[in-house]
Amino acid sequence: SQTIHQWPATLVQPVGSPLSLECTVEGTSNPNLYWYRQAAGRGLQLLFYSIGIDQISSEVPQNLSASRPQDRQFILSSKKLLLSDSGFYLCAWSGTASPLHFGNGTRLTVT
Amino acid sequence: SQQGEEDPQALSIQEGENATMNCSYKTSINNLQWYRQNSGRGLVHLILIRSNEREKHSGRLRVTLDTSKKSSSLLITASRAADTASYFCATAALKTGANNLFFGTGTRLTVIP
Repeated sequence: SQTIHQWPATLVQPVGSPLSLECTVEGTSNPNLYWYRQAAGRGLQLLFYSIGIDQISSEVPQNLSASRPQDRQFILSSKKLLLSDSGFYLCAWSGTASPLHFGNGTRLTVT
Repeated sequence: SQQGEEDPQALSIQEGENATMNCSYKTSINNLQWYRQNSGRGLVHLILIRSNEREKHSGRLRVTLDTSKKSSSLLITASRAADTASYFCATAALKTGANNLFFGTGTRLTVIP
């Protein structure tokens, strides 16, 4: 069966520090991969999605970037975090025209 | 924005009662999906309804879709305390493709034992 791993679960980082969140999927090939951000008490904002290695689309201009160095690995990065980057980050995967399967999320607090 | 908007924002009911949540969206869609999120966790897919379907059932869940009104509803029958969670609708727009889902802000459901 397919599983998705996302880490770390929580992270506290100072303003201006770099960020790297990692997500990996097991049990499937060539998944669509997604990064979403959820602000407190709000809906999900799609940040990036990828249909294949090195094929990444950005939905929102910001100081975050995403990379997909391997088929089932998706990384969310920032060179310098802002206070406004705080939130709950969720990685997800899907097949073609199928529902999303989410990881358990990373709670990021920028101080 | 093509995001769905759920209504109400919060709902509190007694165990055993039915819970109805509504979702409205703005653009033509490929499908509409409902997800559930327990506090501090990832979302879990509940049900998907395609644009050419009007109603779908899954266990205690019933989803309707009215594309003319650009709205959907999620009914949970015979609610349980374990149904307490946030519920989100998500739309896959025709324009952007079936896999680009846009989520609403959710309905926070509390089921009182």
